[in-house]
Amino acid sequence: DAEITQSPRHKITETGRQVTLACHQTWNHNNMFWYRQDLGHGLRLIHYSYGVQDTNKGEVSDGYSVSRSNTEDLPLTLESAASSQTSVYFCASSDRNTGELFFGEGSRLTVL
Amino acid sequence: QKEVEQNSGPLSVPEGAIASLNCTYSDRGSQSFFWYRQYSGKSPELIMSIYSNGDKEDGRFTAQLNKASQYVSLLIRDSQPSDSATYLCAVRVDYKLSFGAGTTVTVRA
Repeated sequence: DAEITQSPRHKITETGRQVTLACHQTWNHNNMFWYRQDLGHGLRLIHYSYGVQDTNKGEVSDGYSVSRSNTEDLPLTLESAASSQTSVYFCASSDRNTGELFFGEGSRLTVL
Repeated sequence: QKEVEQNSGPLSVPEGAIASLNCTYSDRGSQSFFWYRQYSGKSPELIMSIYSNGDKEDGRFTAQLNKASQYVSLLIRDSQPSDSATYLCAVRVDYKLSFGAGTTVTVRA
């Protein structure tokens, strides 16, 4: 079965460190997304990609970057982790025709 | 104004009752509409999608869409304890989805 896998599932890091969250999908979807979920804010879009070499900023992109070198992977990098980036991060991919979004299991990041 | 707004909840309903969830959106160019269910500590899972005005039924779930009023709703009939979760309304513009903050539903036995 097709799926999206995220790693690590849990990570604790220190302020100022660089962190990369991995996302790998086997749906063969062109569209991939990174969201963060915080209490009171729901799901907010960080970055998204519509295909290889395409990346775009979402509504909360400051301090984050992504790269898309193949169809399957969209890693999310926090250049210099801040306590405000403590959150649960979800990677997702979508079918271009229906727009239906499929989520990974999430990565819980704690920045101390 | 937020792009997608949901009734804040929490919503508590007795087992067997109907749970009614509401969602409004601001962008008239929105193309597709979705309801996701999220159990505590889990990722959102798609339960309904609706693309045109009217009702769409799937088992105990019915989604209703009124584009003129920019309104989407979800009815859960014969609510079960397993329906206790947070329900997220999502609206598609271009290829992106915007989400509401969610409504937490608790079904009490």
